[in-house]
Amino acid sequence: SQTIHQWPATLVQPVGSPLSLECTVEGTSNPNLYWYRQAAGRGLQLLFYSVGIGQISSEVPQNLSASRPQDRQFILSSKKLLLSDSGFYLCAWSGTRRVHNEQFFGPGTRLTVL
Amino acid sequence: SQQGEEDPQALSIQEGENATMNCSYKTSINNLQWYRQNSGRGLVHLILIRSNEREKHSGRLRVTLDTSKKSSSLLITASRAADTASYFCATDAKGGDMRFGAGTRLTVKP
Repeated sequence: SQTIHQWPATLVQPVGSPLSLECTVEGTSNPNLYWYRQAAGRGLQLLFYSVGIGQISSEVPQNLSASRPQDRQFILSSKKLLLSDSGFYLCAWSGTRRVHNEQFFGPGTRLTVL
Repeated sequence: SQQGEEDPQALSIQEGENATMNCSYKTSINNLQWYRQNSGRGLVHLILIRSNEREKHSGRLRVTLDTSKKSSSLLITASRAADTASYFCATDAKGGDMRFGAGTRLTVKP
């Protein structure tokens, strides 16, 4: 069966510090991968998605970046965090068949920038 | 930008009552999905309804889709305290990707 992992679960970082959040998927090959951010009490904002290794699409211009060094690994990074980067970050994967693109979410990372 | 818009934003009911949440969207879609999120957790897929379907059932869940009105509803029958969560609709837009709404926060009081 497929599983998706995210770490860390919670993170408190000072403004201006770097960020690296990791997401890995097991039990499937060539998944589509997604990074979302969710502000408190709000919906999900799609940040990045990837349809293959090294292929990253950015939805919203910001100081975050994403990389996919391996088929089932998706990394969200920042060189210098801003206060506005605080939020709940969710990684998700879906199969490559577009018609049935149900997404499976990881447990999320709660990021607080102070 | 977000595609789906749920209403109400918050809903509070007693256990045993039915809960109805609505979702409206703007563009043509391939399918529409409903997800549930417990506080501070990831989202869990509940049900997918394709654009050529009008109604779908899964246990106590009933989803309708009206493509002429670009709207969908999620009905939870005989609600339980454990149904307390946020519910999101997500649309798979033709020529685009999935977009999530802001969600409806459902509270079921025991």
